[in-house]
Amino acid sequence: RKEVEQDPGPFNVPEGATVAFNCTYSNSASQSFFWYRQDCRKEPKLLMSVYSSGNEDGRFTAQLNRASQYISLLIRDSKLSDSATYLCVVQTSRSYSGAGSYQLTFGKGTKLSVIP
Amino acid sequence: DAGITQSPRHKVTETGTPVTLRCHQTENHRYMYWYRQDPGHGLRLIHYSYGVKDTDKGEVSDGYSVSRSKTEDFLLTLESATSSQTSVYFCAISRTGAANEKLFFGSGTQLSVL
Repeated sequence: RKEVEQDPGPFNVPEGATVAFNCTYSNSASQSFFWYRQDCRKEPKLLMSVYSSGNEDGRFTAQLNRASQYISLLIRDSKLSDSATYLCVVQTSRSYSGAGSYQLTFGKGTKLSVIP
Repeated sequence: DAGITQSPRHKVTETGTPVTLRCHQTENHRYMYWYRQDPGHGLRLIHYSYGVKDTDKGEVSDGYSVSRSKTEDFLLTLESATSSQTSVYFCAISRTGAANEKLFFGSGTQLSVL
């Protein structure tokens, strides 16, 4: 099982639609979780962290299920500007303590195209 | 946006030549990272630095070396470039490397090794 798995898409949805992305991770000791957004030929940027109780930021809702090792991102009322690739990122402690104690593992990303 | 500058933005080189990519930050962040991004793979960590002259390997460090002589600069060197090192390289920074900390990425360097 790969460390962080995402459906690669593409997801083609009309404006105003609701779309959900899923992500699974293999390391049960993972501690922190994030969604990053990457526009075409641009750098990744943090969209939101994912908290155990679930969290919302405007039209975006992130959820975490530690028992199933599953993370989700829900986008409501999709806009054209939401078109991008969404990266699921999992943070895990390294096997040793001290400097550089955390490592990030990136999923391959899910591509979203919002169509007029 | 965080002050991170990568240079060059694009480079074409030949197999066997040395290549150095530069990352410069103006945020005074302690941690700096080099990632590569390839189709069919997530971003993969090459090397990172947790302070001046303090560096460590990531998951794909073979064929790469790094140096950090100043807080603001982190250099990635390909001693003898190979075609498998054709990729987009991203530099990233974080303030303290702590859990839940946000990474800021540079704009990337597209490297082609012919």
